[in-house]
Amino acid sequence: QQQVKQSPQSLIVQKGGISIINCAYENTAFDYFPWYQQFPGKGPALLIAIRPDVSEKKEGRFTISFNKSAKQFSLHIMDSQPGDSATYFCAAHNTDKLIFGTGTRLQVFP
Amino acid sequence: DVKVTQSSRYLVKRTGEKVFLECVQDMDHENMFWYRQDPGLGLRLIYFSYDVKMKEKGDIPEGYSVSREKKERFSLILESASTNQTSMYLCASSFDLAGLGGEQFFGPGTRLTVL
Repeated sequence: QQQVKQSPQSLIVQKGGISIINCAYENTAFDYFPWYQQFPGKGPALLIAIRPDVSEKKEGRFTISFNKSAKQFSLHIMDSQPGDSATYFCAAHNTDKLIFGTGTRLQVFP
Repeated sequence: DVKVTQSSRYLVKRTGEKVFLECVQDMDHENMFWYRQDPGLGLRLIYFSYDVKMKEKGDIPEGYSVSREKKERFSLILESASTNQTSMYLCASSFDLAGLGGEQFFGPGTRLTVL
């Protein structure tokens, strides 16, 4: 119930393409869903986040789509760039902590 | 600009040694966290703290302990290191007044190898 399932484990996208990473959860008490981006040798950093009362949030080329009834949310990266190559983690907040997904390694080739 | 620093980027220890990982944040955050990151397993919470001298177990506390004597400093202790504790350790801090979820700021990580 406390798990957040993330897929795919790895993703290869051509420059300019759309990258899509999916996450699913079971616990309806989760109240905040952030995405973190991690570059090699660095700690994760918050990329974008959404609360369950909205279905979509967009910041530049990054969009979270949230489906409350299906208990799923996804990150879309439009016009993917080589600089987007990183590991992405979805997460869900419950009471006092974040539960992280297992991560997706994104590689964007020129 | 929030800064979370960790005492070492790389650490090599022997089985049975006592290991201290130090984390310091400079933004007066109440909350501090220790995670370990392993390929295919994501980030797993070991311990967290909401205030000085307070600690809470995360999802995988076995084999670890923590200390928070000052607000800005949170230490992770491996009492007797074992090879299965070889991992990347990440410290994070956050300012989360209402418990509704707040941005966590991560340090660069300590890659610990236990031989």
